[in-house]
Amino acid sequence: DTEVTQTPKHLVMGMTNKKSLKCEQHMGHRAMYWYKQKAKKPPELMFVYSYEKLSINESVPSRFSPECPNSSLLNLHLHALQPEDSALYLCASSQNLNGGTQYFGPGTRLLVL
Amino acid sequence: LAKTTQPISMDSYEGQEVNITCSHNNIATNDYITWYQQFPSQGPRFIIQGYKTKVTNEVASLFIPADRKSSTLSLPRVSLSDTAVYYCLVGGTGGGNKLTFGTGTQLKVEL
Repeated sequence: DTEVTQTPKHLVMGMTNKKSLKCEQHMGHRAMYWYKQKAKKPPELMFVYSYEKLSINESVPSRFSPECPNSSLLNLHLHALQPEDSALYLCASSQNLNGGTQYFGPGTRLLVL
Repeated sequence: LAKTTQPISMDSYEGQEVNITCSHNNIATNDYITWYQQFPSQGPRFIIQGYKTKVTNEVASLFIPADRKSSTLSLPRVSLSDTAVYYCLVGGTGGGNKLTFGTGTQLKVEL
């Protein structure tokens, strides 16, 4: 099973709302990632977790707050977003950080009004 | 910082072999090269991964020259369903450059 699941599939939120994106994998992977993808652009790395600890934060604004409650789950908490934050948010996981293949979820399409 | 570039687009016909190149001049010693396929509004789907020389699986081949500054994804006998964007991903957060997707290549396959 190489499935990474993400919920919700679509999300519309206002600039004052608080929402969360969820990601789950049951492959026993110990590295999990959040990416942001704008239309017709490649995914951009946001955060990396390794063994439930934040390993990399690519200078992401604090209105995005990641959380890894256990080895299977990864959340992205959203607060006070801007319209330019509208994008496809992708979660991925890999066995570890040492060049292992990343498996991606289907993404959450976020629209900020 | 590694800059990873690909041709913007390629056109092909069903049954032909397609070769897509990725240029990664600043690849680090520990970096792997991975190729993904992405359809609109879906997550990238893993195709193949390699470190050096040639790797082949049931859907593609990956050619990496000795200097590893480029790589070529080869898709044999493409079909209409192979129309998608193809990305190379270079790096390994365990060492070397950060993970960087290439600029992406839109492949269009026609009858």
